[in-house]
Amino acid sequence: VQLLQSGAEEKKPGASVKVSCKASGYVFTVHHIHWVRQAPGKGLEWMGWINPNRGDTNSALNFRGRVTMTSDTSINTAYLELSELTSADTAVYYCARATDDGDFDSWGQGFPVTVSS
Amino acid sequence: QSVLAQPPSVSGAPGQRVTISCTGGSSNIGAGHNVHWYQQFPGTAPQPLIYRSAYRPSGVPERFSASKSGTSASLAITGLQADDEATYYCQSFDTSLSAWVFGGGTKLTVL
Repeated sequence: VQLLQSGAEEKKPGASVKVSCKASGYVFTVHHIHWVRQAPGKGLEWMGWINPNRGDTNSALNFRGRVTMTSDTSINTAYLELSELTSADTAVYYCARATDDGDFDSWGQGFPVTVSS
Repeated sequence: QSVLAQPPSVSGAPGQRVTISCTGGSSNIGAGHNVHWYQQFPGTAPQPLIYRSAYRPSGVPERFSASKSGTSASLAITGLQADDEATYYCQSFDTSLSAWVFGGGTKLTVL
């Protein structure tokens, strides 16, 4: 099982960022993909999940209206788009595969996003 | 303020035993939701350490164990080693928030 996240982005305040997460080594549609972020020197913050099989999503209250999660089952890739960026969105964004027990058994390596004017 | 409360730091000498607490409430741990633990080294992604409150993924040493009772959970590390120095996070699900929640993380220092 592998979740591949590559690169990094620097954005201006007010912009949007789209992060990708390419899954391999398992049947992509069987497991929900969750998104978790970590601001510099801070803890883990859950953002939301997507069910790649049906495309349904749920996001944390903090991000509703600003976050869009999608997936493309033809290329086994999940996406997170976050809009109206502020400096508080500067963080490493992780994707993680969820199990039926509610834990995250595989994580991407993270995608750093820096928001700065 | 995290939904699950963890001490910011713990420390111990090599060979000693340390425990890390994770205190929740009636809508998460107390509601019977599983507690999971992750280990994170600086600059790397969290890695699974304990799932379903007490089970170790393959490859995780038996020195790591965990338990859950009431609205709290705890992680124990015996025979501390220098390379256990990392930050440890607990995680569960909160019914009231309908959200996955993490503890604030505990930085373990091996003296």
